Amino acid sequence: QSVLTQPPSASGTPGQRVTISCSGSSSNIGSNTVNWYQQLPGTAPKLLIYSNDQRPSGVPNRFSGSKSGTSASLAISGLQSEDEADYYCAAWDDSLNGFVFGTGTKVTVL
Amino acid sequence: QVQLVESGGGLVKPGGSLRLSCAASGFTFSDYYMNWIRQAPGKGLEWVSYISSSGSFTNYADSVKGRFTIFRDNAKNSLYLQMNSLRAEDTAVYYCARNLVTEDWFDPWGQGTLVTVSS
Repeated sequence: QSVLTQPPSASGTPGQRVTISCSGSSSNIGSNTVNWYQQLPGTAPKLLIYSNDQRPSGVPNRFSGSKSGTSASLAISGLQSEDEADYYCAAWDDSLNGFVFGTGTKVTVL
Repeated sequence: QVQLVESGGGLVKPGGSLRLSCAASGFTFSDYYMNWIRQAPGKGLEWVSYISSSGSFTNYADSVKGRFTIFRDNAKNSLYLQMNSLRAEDTAVYYCARNLVTEDWFDPWGQGTLVTVSS
């Protein structure tokens, strides 16, 4: 079961900025870093943002992450058609002694 | 290049067993924690289990505790998931993914293997 809450969907036109929220608790986001994964249709998830706001090599700088308290956000600026995908936040949970994922957000480019 | 390749998925009846494998290459397998993560059809991601680099420490999601066992063979660069007493709700694509003990993110992920539990 998902412990982190995300909006089920988000959308925008090409070039717009889209923001996805991720809400958790003191045992996960509140005390650990947040990571984001992008899952393109029919493929395995791929690391998009790590340690709250760091981009792996090769990830475009239009993707950015932030964290405040028990919530985190992923922003996509300059939305492109290839950004249509599902996005998941994730964090370690100290109470569960395991990882927890967000409910997932489907981004649609109109 | 770093690669993780899962295998062993298939169709199994409720109550049955299945063993998944994950073959690792392109990195020092024994340096990394390994995880199994699953995704039911049309649903989100669910972390299933992790194992420490030496195999000494493991943990499981409550949904599989007591039924699934994670283990590894560092000499063969391989990770396994023994799944017993399978239920319909275990139907999912199972991914393996690595992480360092000092880092809590998964990179990369394997391509996944589909497990279908149905009579």
